[in-house]
Amino acid sequence: DAGVIQSPRHEVTEMGQEVTLRCKPISGHDYLFWYRQTMMRGLELLIYFNNNVPIDDSGMPEDRFSAKMPNASFSTLKIQPSEPRDSAVYFCASSLSAEQFFGPGTRLTVL
Amino acid sequence: GENVEQHPSTLSVQEGDSAVIKCTYSDSASNYFPWYKQELGKRPQLIIDIRSNVGEKKDQRIAVTLNKTAKHFSLHITETQPEDSAVYFCAASMDTGGGNKLTFGTGTQLKVEL
Repeated sequence: DAGVIQSPRHEVTEMGQEVTLRCKPISGHDYLFWYRQTMMRGLELLIYFNNNVPIDDSGMPEDRFSAKMPNASFSTLKIQPSEPRDSAVYFCASSLSAEQFFGPGTRLTVL
Repeated sequence: GENVEQHPSTLSVQEGDSAVIKCTYSDSASNYFPWYKQELGKRPQLIIDIRSNVGEKKDQRIAVTLNKTAKHFSLHITETQPEDSAVYFCAASMDTGGGNKLTFGTGTQLKVEL
């Protein structure tokens, strides 16, 4: 298995633009998590899904952030409009049991 | 909600020495405590975990201890090697078997010096 796949690996955009991050979980995993990592706030859980249904989005910082999981193989995290304070590494992770497997992350820079 | 505190934030040891990282948690309902290792520029990876029905778990040079009464748990690395240099994160959650909502500590930068 290729593991969790994320794209793009790096994204540089200008303030106000829409950003879409993509994730393909490990096949067969029924939980998918989106995390954000910054120096100031560490690793934060934004939202997680079970069988494509959002279970807990209490970590989503504000309405500018949205996440979808249209099928078991694909999820997106969208930021619209983006702001410089959204600059971070965004990780997607998936699990079937307790262990969460992280993707390589997307480094987002908002200028 | 859960709050996890982790100490120290940085730790420097000589190769061959032991390293200890400590975490405390606030929610007595938490019963699953994983440790993740993150090398520079890489993804976090699980290295060991413990559940509250055991007090200690070992895997080669790595061990984790849990004191549920005091709500703290620790990571012990013995005979440290340069490849152990990384950031280590503790986390806590209720173990639901799959969708564990992990709360992470702030991380410990471990540096193993030759």
